[in-house]
Amino acid sequence: RKEVEQDPGPFNVPEGATVAFNCTYSNSASQSFFWYRQDCRKEPKLLMSVYSSGNEDGRFTAQLNRASQYISLLIRDSKLSDSATYLCVVNKGNQGGKLIFGQGTELSVKP
Amino acid sequence: DAGVIQSPRHEVTEMGQEVTLRCKPISGHNSLFWYRQTMMRGLELLIYFNNNVPIDDSGMPEDRFSAKMPNASFSTLKIQPSEPRDSAVYFCASRQHIGELFFGEGSRLTVL
Repeated sequence: RKEVEQDPGPFNVPEGATVAFNCTYSNSASQSFFWYRQDCRKEPKLLMSVYSSGNEDGRFTAQLNRASQYISLLIRDSKLSDSATYLCVVNKGNQGGKLIFGQGTELSVKP
Repeated sequence: DAGVIQSPRHEVTEMGQEVTLRCKPISGHNSLFWYRQTMMRGLELLIYFNNNVPIDDSGMPEDRFSAKMPNASFSTLKIQPSEPRDSAVYFCASRQHIGELFFGEGSRLTVL
């Protein structure tokens, strides 16, 4: 089993749609969780950290369920500019420094 | 402020040749990571350093790969000899303690 697993995608949605991405992780000792965004042929960039209580940044909402070892990202009112690959990132157990990336989920927002 | 700087941006080489990829982390960052990205395997962590010391190199594919960080402002990833299956984008990233991880633009390697 992979350490971090994501929905395979691609997700093709119309502008204005709400889309949700899921991610599961295998190590129950993981402490830090993030969503990164990667545009085509570019480097990944931090989208948002994921906190235990859940957090929101504009149209983006991230949630963490430690019991189920599950992270989600919700994008509301999707824009064409949201088209990218979204990467779930988890630190490896009690190795705080070691960050493991999921395979990524591709999102394509169409007019 | 300059971000993470990688060189070369692109390299095309023949099987069997030595490849050296270079990285300058963001000044003040104490952790440096080397990742490899392919369509099939996604982003794989190869090795990471804390305060110039290699902490975990379990992701290094085999003995053909080696990485060094002689000082806080420079790291290299070397492949010798290179093979076609090493073709990928190699990313260097740095962070300060447990802060945000910043990536370089990547080095796209093609081994013929």
